[in-house]
Amino acid sequence: DQQVKQNSPSLSVQEGRISILNCDYTNSMFDYFLWYKKYPAEGPTFLISISSIKDKNEDGRFTVFLNKSAKHLSLHIVPSQPGDSAVYFCAAMSLGTASKLTFGTGTRLQVTL
Amino acid sequence: DTEVTQTPKHLVMGMTNKKSLKCEQHMGHRAMYWYKQKAKKPPELMFVYSYEKLSINESVPSRFSPECPNSSLLNLHLHALQPEDSALYLCASSQDQNEKLFFGSGTQLSVL
Repeated sequence: DQQVKQNSPSLSVQEGRISILNCDYTNSMFDYFLWYKKYPAEGPTFLISISSIKDKNEDGRFTVFLNKSAKHLSLHIVPSQPGDSAVYFCAAMSLGTASKLTFGTGTRLQVTL
Repeated sequence: DTEVTQTPKHLVMGMTNKKSLKCEQHMGHRAMYWYKQKAKKPPELMFVYSYEKLSINESVPSRFSPECPNSSLLNLHLHALQPEDSALYLCASSQDQNEKLFFGSGTQLSVL
């Protein structure tokens, strides 16, 4: 049972444009969400997170939006750069419990020149 | 120091070998994790140590044996692995068990 889903396995965006990566979750107990970026043969790198008490969090070119009623979050990258080409994982957890971080299946982003 | 260091980066072993993966962090984090990642799949949790005690074992086969000698070190002892155990093994740490994780670069393991 995949509790965190990223339905787009890949996305191609032109340099300078906006990249929008989507993530859906089914477990209503999740209240903390994270995005990780991963290059091949490397460990995931933390990008940005959001708590369920917020609907938006911004950090430079990266913004995460959370829609709790739809159980949906998205990561916006503006402007997209070639170095952003990587696999992006959405992850979710329940704070305050000894729960594990559940990862989505990942979206491979390619930023073209 | 915001790094999680894993050694070795690559490991090839036979099914009868015994080897160990090592992980080290000096961020004062009290939770450490082992994840396994197969190609084109998300990382899958194997073990969690919290304050040097095993707190989660995700029904991992006994041929994988974790060890936390101290708060900075985490080992994964491997014995009698199968070819299907070939994967990227990731170590991670966090300030506490419910905080964001910092990952190492992983050990790419091939079992022949």
